[in-house]
Amino acid sequence: SQQGEEDPQALSIQEGENATMNCSYKTSINNLQWYRQNSGRGLVHLILIRSNEREKHSGRLRVTLDTSKKSSSLLITASRAADTASYFCATDAKQGGKLIFGQGTELSVKP
Amino acid sequence: GAVVSQHPSRVICKSGTSVKIECRSLDFQATTMFWYRQFPKKSLMLMATSNEGSKATYEQGVEKDKFLINHASLTLSTLTVTSAHPEDSSFYICSARLLAGGGETQYFGPGTRLLVL
Repeated sequence: SQQGEEDPQALSIQEGENATMNCSYKTSINNLQWYRQNSGRGLVHLILIRSNEREKHSGRLRVTLDTSKKSSSLLITASRAADTASYFCATDAKQGGKLIFGQGTELSVKP
Repeated sequence: GAVVSQHPSRVICKSGTSVKIECRSLDFQATTMFWYRQFPKKSLMLMATSNEGSKATYEQGVEKDKFLINHASLTLSTLTVTSAHPEDSSFYICSARLLAGGGETQYFGPGTRLLVL
């Protein structure tokens, strides 16, 4: 399976700043999802954006999707130390529900 | 939201032994479950798709005889790592697919950390 790419691989910011993470993928999709993973833990689903949507908000999260560029971005506003985690995008590759994960961005928010 | 559990959460075993990991959907039925493995500071790699009542579908490069998957009920899938070796040490995560309201969502288990000595 082909995995998408995320950038940056690592991001370190101060509390209160915004964090932007980008994801690119290679195949046609039904939807794109963002997940969060604390070190050594399972995944927490953050937000899903469908292929016919361009932008979606959930609390301090804002996700955009550009299907022409096969890319998505996740913006976390007013970041908190508790946002420190790895963030992954995952695309539904139109193959029986299989999710293809990006490489992830390791976010560190310093208090 | 829907809950998926995994057991055990951590396991240490000797090289050559087999280890079984369970994945359960606690409050919904899942005809399809997925198994992933994750190396430190890496992404999740899909290993196989587990279908209730039928054979699992393995991703390219994943040995089906090495990683045995059984999905005997709508709430339980098991992954058995046979004759485990140190290179099998990894974080194994399952997910269960819930179909509802015309859409679908995958819910992930908390993961199982396997260490083979």
